[in-house]
Amino acid sequence: GNSVTQMEGPVTLSEEAFLTINCTYTATGYPSLFWYVQYPGEGLQLLLKATKADDKGSNKGFEATYRKETTSFHLEKGSVQVSDSAVYFCALSLYNQGGKLIFGQGTELSVKP
Amino acid sequence: ETGVTQSPTHLIKTRGQQVTLRCSSQSGHNTVSWYQQALGQGPQFIFQYYREEENGRGNFPPRFSGLQFPNYSSELNVNALELDDSALYLCASSTTGSDEQYFGPGTRLTVT
Repeated sequence: GNSVTQMEGPVTLSEEAFLTINCTYTATGYPSLFWYVQYPGEGLQLLLKATKADDKGSNKGFEATYRKETTSFHLEKGSVQVSDSAVYFCALSLYNQGGKLIFGQGTELSVKP
Repeated sequence: ETGVTQSPTHLIKTRGQQVTLRCSSQSGHNTVSWYQQALGQGPQFIFQYYREEENGRGNFPPRFSGLQFPNYSSELNVNALELDDSALYLCASSTTGSDEQYFGPGTRLTVT
């Protein structure tokens, strides 16, 4: 079946540290891949996406590259800020499934000053 | 441009009761999807509505049902509530042919 696996959290970093959150997927077909962010007490916000192999999604200093050969979509940021503290979700959707999103379990990030 | 809104924000119900949650889609969006997010977990797809018809369903029992109205707003109904139904219920809207979904703030349902 189709699924998404993320690295377990929580991840605790100091401000200005480099961030990597690993995400791998299993899919029958060619999925679109997404990162969503959820701040405390809020819904999910689309952070970035990539729709085909080797595409790089980027937004607000975050980047992720669609790697078909390793079925991965790792999230990176060069220098995190306290305001980046949130839960990050990796997700996929398949065109032939009407855009239904399949999420990973989420990775909590805590950035300390 | 108005984003996705949901009501109510919080709700407390007793086991066996019924509940209705409401969602208004983002302006210009004609498709609504509902997700259940248990504490500490990723959201799970419940179902999607397009043109007032159910257009895909996840692994949820029939006591989870929905409606979509001509203005694209939507309701999620849950009958015979169980303790495990306690969760954050998220609504997301999108447009035909787009793979981007935009989420509302959610309704926190507690079943006691």
